[in-house]
Amino acid sequence: AQKVTQAQTEISVVEKEDVTLDCVYETRDTTYYLFWYKQPPSGELVFLIRRNSFDEQNEISGRYSWNFQKSTSSFNFTITASQVVDSAVYFCARLTGANNLFFGTGTRLTVIP
Amino acid sequence: EAQVTQNPRYLITVTGKKLTVTCSQNMNHEYMSWYRQDPGLGLRQIYYSMNVEVTDKGDVPEGYKVSRKEKRNFPLILESPSPNQTSLYFCASSQDVLGEQYFGPGTRLTVT
Repeated sequence: AQKVTQAQTEISVVEKEDVTLDCVYETRDTTYYLFWYKQPPSGELVFLIRRNSFDEQNEISGRYSWNFQKSTSSFNFTITASQVVDSAVYFCARLTGANNLFFGTGTRLTVIP
Repeated sequence: EAQVTQNPRYLITVTGKKLTVTCSQNMNHEYMSWYRQDPGLGLRQIYYSMNVEVTDKGDVPEGYKVSRKEKRNFPLILESPSPNQTSLYFCASSQDVLGEQYFGPGTRLTVT
């Protein structure tokens, strides 16, 4: 099966701590695309990043960074100096055929002030 | 403003009463999809459409129908809703098959 596993169901951190959300994927494809989405308490889904399998460079966007490692089939997401507004459910997803985003089960992050 | 809209946002209905959830996007996107979100399961694709009059099944299509008569609209139809279709539904659109998907605000459906 081509899965996306987010083993951390819930994480709580104190504000200003760094936190890493894990994502492990399975695929038989040589070309594939991975995504992270954020779902805040208001419920909408917010796109964070898309990464293709040919680009293994780590990406940084402000306090957010992503570590893509093909050798371990992982695409982990780190928030530096967490803030209360980062509290949300975060989903890792892989694009399968036919425009289908196959989502992990999500990690609920709570940032405590 | 570029957006995907869904209506209604909340709906409570009874078993067997046909309903339609509308979805519209103003970005001229080719691709549109419907997903359902259930606790502990993440989001799963119900149906998708590659263009007008072209639709196909996703991972969980049973009990649902869709149509794509216009590029901007992609309604989700439940002909005979059942309680196991109680869920949070999202419509999404993207410019191409590999691109970022933009999601609507979600429709919370309860079938009693």
